[in-house]
Amino acid sequence: TQLLEQSPQFLSIQEGENLTVYCNSSSVFSSLQWYRQEPGEGPVLLVTVVTGGEVKKLKRLTFQFGDARKDSSLHITAAQPGDTGLYLCAGEVRGTDKLIFGTGTRLQVFP
Amino acid sequence: DTAVSQTPKYLVTQMGNDKSIKCEQNLGHDTMYWYKQDSKKFLKIMFSYNNKELIINETVPNRFSPKSPDKAHLNLHINSLELGDSAVYFCASSPPGLAGEEQFFGPGTRLTVL
Repeated sequence: TQLLEQSPQFLSIQEGENLTVYCNSSSVFSSLQWYRQEPGEGPVLLVTVVTGGEVKKLKRLTFQFGDARKDSSLHITAAQPGDTGLYLCAGEVRGTDKLIFGTGTRLQVFP
Repeated sequence: DTAVSQTPKYLVTQMGNDKSIKCEQNLGHDTMYWYKQDSKKFLKIMFSYNNKELIINETVPNRFSPKSPDKAHLNLHINSLELGDSAVYFCASSPPGLAGEEQFFGPGTRLTVL
């Protein structure tokens, strides 16, 4: 059974702090996506990484795909209250359109 | 214009009832999905349809029956509702393509079974 474990599960920080969220699996994925979900809404895609070792930046967010394509990290620099939400990684099972979602990280950024 | 819409937004019903959730996408996508998100926010795929054909069925009880009348719609019918069916159900769609196509999610339907 493919499983994507995210850590930490919960994170409460002050505005301006940096943080890293990890997404780990024993399975290899064709690609890995990061989504953010706000209360009462569906997840919204932030980024997709496809190549092992790939690093993508989206303003203050930096995403990295592990060399073996089994893990990923999301680093947020100088977090802001608007970053508050549920962050979900999702691995694409090779050869399918199927996404396996991670266990989620709930981030709360206080002003 | 809403890209992926679901109705109803909230559904409260008694155990044993039968209910349906509707989903429509106006993005022209070929593939649609149903996901279940439990109280711990774990999002798990249930079904996937491509051009009205079932391609993924994740060992969901046969009380759940998806129906796709056309590629823009994927409805979910649930028979004999149980307490454990309480969750938020998300519909999603994605375009055809290679690895890593974005999935566009609807706003979710919160189902509460009493």
